[in-house]
Amino acid sequence: DQQVKQNSPSLSVQEGRISILNCDYTNSMFDYFLWYKKYPAEGPTFLISISSIKDKNEDGRFTVFLNKSAKHLSLHIVPSQPGDSAVYFCAASQGAQKLVFGQGTRLTINP
Amino acid sequence: NAGVMQNPRHLVRRRGQEARLRCSPMKGHSHVYWYRQLPEEGLKFMVYLQKENIIDESGMPKERFSAEFPKEGPSILRIQQVVRGDSAAYFCASSPRLADEQFFGPGTRLTVL
Repeated sequence: DQQVKQNSPSLSVQEGRISILNCDYTNSMFDYFLWYKKYPAEGPTFLISISSIKDKNEDGRFTVFLNKSAKHLSLHIVPSQPGDSAVYFCAASQGAQKLVFGQGTRLTINP
Repeated sequence: NAGVMQNPRHLVRRRGQEARLRCSPMKGHSHVYWYRQLPEEGLKFMVYLQKENIIDESGMPKERFSAEFPKEGPSILRIQQVVRGDSAAYFCASSPRLADEQFFGPGTRLTVL
């Protein structure tokens, strides 16, 4: 039962352009959503989050959008930089406890 | 303020042996979470602990796996009689309170021969 899904295993984007990573969820009880970035042989690093009472949160080059009716969220990175190349995980929680992760999307930024 | 620390970073065990994975949360953090990542998959929740208490172990296999977070010292994830299917990366995360943002350690990569 995959409650959080990232349907694109990989994404390739030109440096300087916008990267858009997508995530869908099925559990309407989720009230908090997060994006983590992960390099090989390291732990996930928190990037940005959004509460279910909001539809947008922005932090520098990173913006997360939440569409509750569609049970969909997305992460926009603009402009994309080579250091952004990593695996990105979407995660969701209910009541601030365990995180439910998607399978991850491998983002490659091409120079 | 040091981050979440995990040791060992790499652990090799033969089938039937025991594996002990340690996690020291960030200073001031009393909530600890363990996750497992199998190859090419996302992280899966295993257990959530506070000092001396297991709060949620709904993701733990029923047999061979146990976890503790004593009053003093690191949190320990213990796997008895390991099998090849236990080979994975095990991540620990901590938070200062019941909060949504969890800070992750670098992980322990367990290989069962």
